[in-house]
Amino acid sequence: EAQVTQNPRYLITVTGKKLTVTCSQNMNHEYMSWYRQDPGLGLRQIYYSMNVEVTDKGDVPEGYKVSRKEKRNFPLILESPSPNQTSLYFCASSLNSGGGETQYFGPGTRLLVL
Amino acid sequence: AQTVTQSQPEMSVQEAETVTLSCTYDTSESDYYLFWYKQPPSRQMILVIRQEAYKQQNATENRFSVNFQKAAKSFSLKISDSQLGDAAMYFCAYRAGGTSYGKLTFGQGTILTVHP
Repeated sequence: EAQVTQNPRYLITVTGKKLTVTCSQNMNHEYMSWYRQDPGLGLRQIYYSMNVEVTDKGDVPEGYKVSRKEKRNFPLILESPSPNQTSLYFCASSLNSGGGETQYFGPGTRLLVL
Repeated sequence: AQTVTQSQPEMSVQEAETVTLSCTYDTSESDYYLFWYKQPPSRQMILVIRQEAYKQQNATENRFSVNFQKAAKSFSLKISDSQLGDAAMYFCAYRAGGTSYGKLTFGQGTILTVHP
């Protein structure tokens, strides 16, 4: 089944404790992206990747890191999480960055930073 | 920068009735795509319908249709014969065409309640 998977689905952590949220897709997509969803703000892009080893900042990159060493994986790293990073996170992928390409979303990761 | 605005934080509809969710956007691009996503309580993002800006014909997917007014930069979603399973948060989204950065720009969302 074609899908985007994320782990963990739920995470409670404390300020400053490094964490990684994994994202994997099995559709051989070139383009991958991370979004965060906050009430009243919709979804906002954090980082994106056009292909392996090519990543760039989205609208809200502060406090996050990413890497794209393999085509299928695009982990999101919070090196020193803070309470303002409490949010619902989505990974998404599409065949390429073309506007008409459908983005497929993972199931989401709900993060609480205490 | 592109912006997407959904001015209705909440909407409600009776089962079997029709409801329209509003969305406006701002862009200087001529080539772009518009989308409506549904987010049920499971939080999964589900693509409902998409519209290519170069197409004059409004997109339709079963009970879901859009009213795309390019000059007014308006992109509303009409749900006909509403069902209880339509209850969800709905997001309008924009994506520039060509070899853009691929970013989806989302509106704030509209919570749709369906009354039996």
